[in-house]
Amino acid sequence: QVQLVQSGNEVKKPGASVKVSCRASGYTLTNYGLDWVRQAPGRGLEWMGVINTVTGKTKYADGLQGRVTMTTDTSTNTAYMELRSLTSDDTAVYYCVRGEASGRGHWFDPWGQGTLVTVSS
Amino acid sequence: DIVMTQSPDSLAVSLGERATINCKSSQSVSYSSNNKNFLAWYQQKPGQPPKLLIYWASARGSGVPDRFSGSGSGTNFTLVISSLQAEDVAVYYCQQYYDSPVTFGQGTKVAIK
Repeated sequence: QVQLVQSGNEVKKPGASVKVSCRASGYTLTNYGLDWVRQAPGRGLEWMGVINTVTGKTKYADGLQGRVTMTTDTSTNTAYMELRSLTSDDTAVYYCVRGEASGRGHWFDPWGQGTLVTVSS
Repeated sequence: DIVMTQSPDSLAVSLGERATINCKSSQSVSYSSNNKNFLAWYQQKPGQPPKLLIYWASARGSGVPDRFSGSGSGTNFTLVISSLQAEDVAVYYCQQYYDSPVTFGQGTKVAIK
């Protein structure tokens, strides 16, 4: 079945970087867009950005510009999200999501299982 | 950015009764040229990722029970659970994908009365 399998939980110190992987199975990564969404503990959903899996072109949320990089490795059907200069505000569950094209933005189905990134000294 | 506001923040409904969640966008998320409403709904159970329920404001996702229905256009949308089941206890989010960045409502928590 179609699913997105993410890498395991991470604990990082302030100022460090984290790289989360997301392996697509049951479909070819380049047939759909791939977005990243995060959710701070007890909070709502925040869109982080999107990667065009064919061209590699990215669009990031304004608040993350300069700190986030999204990439793909089509040979392994895997997407990656790297976030740098971590602060406690980046503590959250990070989700990769398959983006269904609408001609404008994406709706999301399915979602990866989530990767908890904890930033703590 | 388009702001999505859900109401209520939480509600408690008896088993078998109807639950209604509203979602209002700060500007229209409907595209007049194709009559499409760029609005999705998700269900998130504790400890799980969100799951797609509804897209295009009223189309049910794969495997979604028909007790879930979506409606609305322009700036006002509604998710209805026609007969609440115990497994429907969750937080529900609306999302607009009309404009970038896509944005979500703050969530509505549904509990059993």
